[in-house]
Amino acid sequence: EADIYQTPRYLVIGTGKKITLECSQTMGHDKMYWYQQDPGMELHLIHYSYGVNSTEKGDLSSESTVSRIRTEHFPLTLESARPSHTSQYLCASSEGQGAGLFFGSGTQLSVL
Amino acid sequence: GDSVTQMEGPVTLSEEAFLTINCTYTATGYPSLFWYVQYPGEGLQLLLKATKADDKGSNKGFEATYRKETTSFHLEKGSVQVSDSAVYFCALGSGNTGKLIFGQGTTLQVKP
Repeated sequence: EADIYQTPRYLVIGTGKKITLECSQTMGHDKMYWYQQDPGMELHLIHYSYGVNSTEKGDLSSESTVSRIRTEHFPLTLESARPSHTSQYLCASSEGQGAGLFFGSGTQLSVL
Repeated sequence: GDSVTQMEGPVTLSEEAFLTINCTYTATGYPSLFWYVQYPGEGLQLLLKATKADDKGSNKGFEATYRKETTSFHLEKGSVQVSDSAVYFCALGSGNTGKLIFGQGTTLQVKP
């Protein structure tokens, strides 16, 4: 079944740890996105990709990095996590303009 | 730049009441417009969309009409159920990046 998967669903880690949030989609979409959702619910685009080997920074500055080596995979990495990184991270993909985004279930990250 | 403004929540209604959640936008060109719903602990699900002026999107009893003259895309439902309790996001997409700009979200609580 075509879908978009995020792992882990929940992650609690200590300050200074390196983490990678996984995102994979089986829909063959070229465009993929990472949004950060703050406790007030607002969604902010932090990274996006048009396709393999393409990555762009979003509207909200983020200390995270992303890579796109395969069409289906778009992981997000934090080299040194801090409490200010505590948030919900949502991955999405799209088949193109006007189609909207398909979202994964999200990763709730808590940095102590 | 492009932006979306939603009515502030929370909105609290009794079951079977009529629902309206206001959404207005600012954009250059002719954006596509979307409504998403987010249930607790989950990602966003596309509820409905409209890609040009006067289009009406509808799904699961919800509907919204793309009004270019008032730059609005208000969400309506004739009779809400307890299961409709969630956070609703209005969004616009423009250009060829496929990325969406979201409103701040409106929490709906439906009481039996």
